[in-house]
Amino acid sequence: DTGVSQDPRHKITKRGQNVTFRCDPISEHNRLYWYRQTLGQGPEFLTYFQNEAQLEKSRLLSDRFSAERPKGSFSTLEIQRTEQGDSAMYLCASSLRLPNTGELFFGEGSRLTVL
Amino acid sequence: KNQVEQSPQSLIILEGKNCTLQCNYTVSPFSNLRWYKQDTGRGPVSLTIMTFSENTKSNGRYTATLDADTKQSSLHITASQLSDSASYICVVRGSTGGGNKLTFGTGTQLKVEL
Repeated sequence: DTGVSQDPRHKITKRGQNVTFRCDPISEHNRLYWYRQTLGQGPEFLTYFQNEAQLEKSRLLSDRFSAERPKGSFSTLEIQRTEQGDSAMYLCASSLRLPNTGELFFGEGSRLTVL
Repeated sequence: KNQVEQSPQSLIILEGKNCTLQCNYTVSPFSNLRWYKQDTGRGPVSLTIMTFSENTKSNGRYTATLDADTKQSSLHITASQLSDSASYICVVRGSTGGGNKLTFGTGTQLKVEL
């Protein structure tokens, strides 16, 4: 399967712990996005990369959140000192940089539960 | 502020019946509109992408319409199946706003029952 893959699919952690999620995009896609989704809501934009450059960050991305895409391939999203409000599904998506219609392909998501 | 409103919030229909989901948006300038299907606990999967000049687009039993003048779109599902049970999310792409040009609706939760 050559789709977007995310790991882990589920993570349960205690408040105050750090967690890291990994995303492997479709290999030829140069754009990679992170979204957060809570129950009954649509995905909310967190950040995106074009190749290895992080081009935009949402105000939702507090100082406890950091994302990297060191070689322009896979990406990691780290949450430090987790809080209960961080519990959500974290979705990764990738696309080609096409004018206007670059379709987003989503991974299956990493569900975080903070106790 | 760019917004995407979907209705109804949830819907229950019997297998084999048709249904129509609505999406109204205020995103301007407009680039394209997408419908995604999201199964519970899974990532969204694209159904259609419609640009300004397209009024209707079909993907199997799914037919999307777009009226760019009234800023409305609909997704019509024909002969529903149990596997259609999912959240359907309308996403509008604007022409400005940096890399984050997508505005997501909150989705319509569809349940198809026997």
